[in-house]
Amino acid sequence: GQNIDQPTEMTATEGAIVQINCTYQTSGFNGLFWYQQHAGEAPTFLSYNVLDGLEEKGRFSSFLSRSKGYSYLLLKELQMKDSASYLCAVKGPSARQLTFGSGTQLTVLP
Amino acid sequence: GAGVSQSPSNKVTEKGKDVELRCDPISGHTALYWYRQSLGQGLEFLIYFQGNSAPDKSGLPSDRFSAERTGGSVSTLTIQRTQQEDSAVYLCASSAEGGQPQHFGDGTRLSIL
Repeated sequence: GQNIDQPTEMTATEGAIVQINCTYQTSGFNGLFWYQQHAGEAPTFLSYNVLDGLEEKGRFSSFLSRSKGYSYLLLKELQMKDSASYLCAVKGPSARQLTFGSGTQLTVLP
Repeated sequence: GAGVSQSPSNKVTEKGKDVELRCDPISGHTALYWYRQSLGQGLEFLIYFQGNSAPDKSGLPSDRFSAERTGGSVSTLTIQRTQQEDSAVYLCASSAEGGQPQHFGDGTRLSIL
């Protein structure tokens, strides 16, 4: 099975940079997703990493190290609207479903 | 439609009643997933449909839960004899095929009194 750990809460200031870490232990690995979920809304897809390294997409970047079972989501030039829960999800060997972490609640302060 | 559509958006019912939740996936998406999210928790996988293959029901918490997908499109999740612990947001997602990025509906907020 899979076990996914990410911090429960983080706080950062508008305009700053924040890094949200995710570690996982898995019996098989086929990729890692990051989703953003605003309160009361559905999760929305942010990024997908299957190979080691950094994937950059505008203000958001995601990094993966498969040997370390580690990923992070980097958010630059934080905006108030970035306040949300960020979910790390690992795709297992069957590629049939994702196992989600409990999410990191990010609060951006003015 | 443009996105995944779920109905109803909210459902309040008495303990012991049966409920049926509906999901209309993105047109052309062959994979469909049901998840449950309790307050402040991550997503709990329930069931997965891929094309005409037998569904992966490994996440269903009890035999009171069942789901079907008709014609490879619309899916319904049925909960029989509801219990208070069934209260949660039930999210449906679809993807172009299994393992691809999933697109979520807005969910059904189920409250069991």
